[in-house]
Amino acid sequence: SQQGEEDPQALSIQEGENATMNCSYKTSINNLQWYRQNSGRGLVHLILIRSNEREKHSGRLRVTLDTSKKSSSLLITASRAADTASYFCAPVRSTSYGKLTFGQGTILTVHP
Amino acid sequence: NAGVMQNPRHLVRRRGQEARLRCSPMKGHSHVYWYRQLPEEGLKFMVYLQKENIIDESGMPKERFSAEFPKEGPSILRIQQVVRGDSAAYFCASSPSVGQESGANVLTFGAGSRLTVL
Repeated sequence: SQQGEEDPQALSIQEGENATMNCSYKTSINNLQWYRQNSGRGLVHLILIRSNEREKHSGRLRVTLDTSKKSSSLLITASRAADTASYFCAPVRSTSYGKLTFGQGTILTVHP
Repeated sequence: NAGVMQNPRHLVRRRGQEARLRCSPMKGHSHVYWYRQLPEEGLKFMVYLQKENIIDESGMPKERFSAEFPKEGPSILRIQQVVRGDSAAYFCASSPSVGQESGANVLTFGAGSRLTVL
């Protein structure tokens, strides 16, 4: 399996602003997933984008995928204090194998 | 659907004791994964199991750690002779059968078990 690398390591913004996090990976993928972890809790799946998709939306989340650059971005629009969490990407090489590997994540702090 | 259930949520052990962490996957899920998270760090993969089979244990320390997922009952992560460095949050996740496009390896995580070794 492979691991995504999130960037930046930490991001601090004001409520109402947009937050953009990036993910880079090394090999070809079937899909890429984003997860959120609130402090002291387990990860929660946010969104999955397949390798043949370039953009996907879910509520205030927008994910893009550029397979030529092996990178993805997660945009959270009109952020809220409740969006404060760590965000992780997980590139998935094959759906025939279940294990996901996570990087260090991006710590997002949204100030009210 | 109760989701992935982990217990205990908090466990305190003295050095040299054994720790047993339990995980009941989501209903209908046949794959279980254990991860460890040290303070201020990301999740590190430990082991991937199906019922009665260990699929991938490449992240498990070679000694003192073992995992099982029996035919009946929860998955167990067992740590023998704990040391202070084992203090961490241990997360379990589950997924439906792989190889199905609709499943696409989406993991559902439990709330974690926090082990403190004194």
